[in-house]
Amino acid sequence: ETGVTQTPRHLVMGMTNKKSLKCEQHLGHNAMYWYKQSAKKPLELMFVYSLEERVENNSVPSRFSPECPNSSHLFLHLHTLQPEDSALYLCASSQDLAASSTEAFFGQGTRLTVV
Amino acid sequence: LAKTTQPISMDSYEGQEVNITCSHNNIATNDYITWYQQFPSQGPRFIIQGYKTKVTNEVASLFIPADRKSSTLSLPRVSLSDTAVYYCLVGDMGRGSTLGRLYFGRGTQLTVWP
Repeated sequence: ETGVTQTPRHLVMGMTNKKSLKCEQHLGHNAMYWYKQSAKKPLELMFVYSLEERVENNSVPSRFSPECPNSSHLFLHLHTLQPEDSALYLCASSQDLAASSTEAFFGQGTRLTVV
Repeated sequence: LAKTTQPISMDSYEGQEVNITCSHNNIATNDYITWYQQFPSQGPRFIIQGYKTKVTNEVASLFIPADRKSSTLSLPRVSLSDTAVYYCLVGDMGRGSTLGRLYFGRGTQLTVWP
């Protein structure tokens, strides 16, 4: 238990569906992140939020839309996804924006399958 | 962020000590070295972090030579449950930086055999 909770753990959705992934942390952290991990690939940083403000968006397609309503919650809204978007989506948080001197805490991830 | 190079995979047997080396020739003065562990279908988990010399905790030791261009994660007496991917991260974006982020490479797949 890392203190970062992601729901749902598994999600199967059609290409025309709209769904949302949820991440919650009550560690008092100010920074939250979304990562994507496809099979046999490194983790890819998608979005970074600091104090509810998006500070980085790594050229992620617009079919992925993040939302950070407060410092404890982070959402990833999904719409019209493609089969290649199937992956493990990981949420992480850290006390401040990640320096390597800062420990990041990851959730268990959401295993997403797009059919 | 300094680029890191690690072996793609390593094999070991239960009870042995495992040493995974990471090269980071372009490490900067303010950079820390951090190692994470990831099991399949789970998020990475922080193992250990250091700046220079040696750091030890209940899980592992981290050896950093004087020039800091490499580091070695040492896992004593591994068990089957230590089979995982191990990532070496190097960098320091500084507190308050608007570009703070964690980038993971491909890591090292450690397989422990009975």
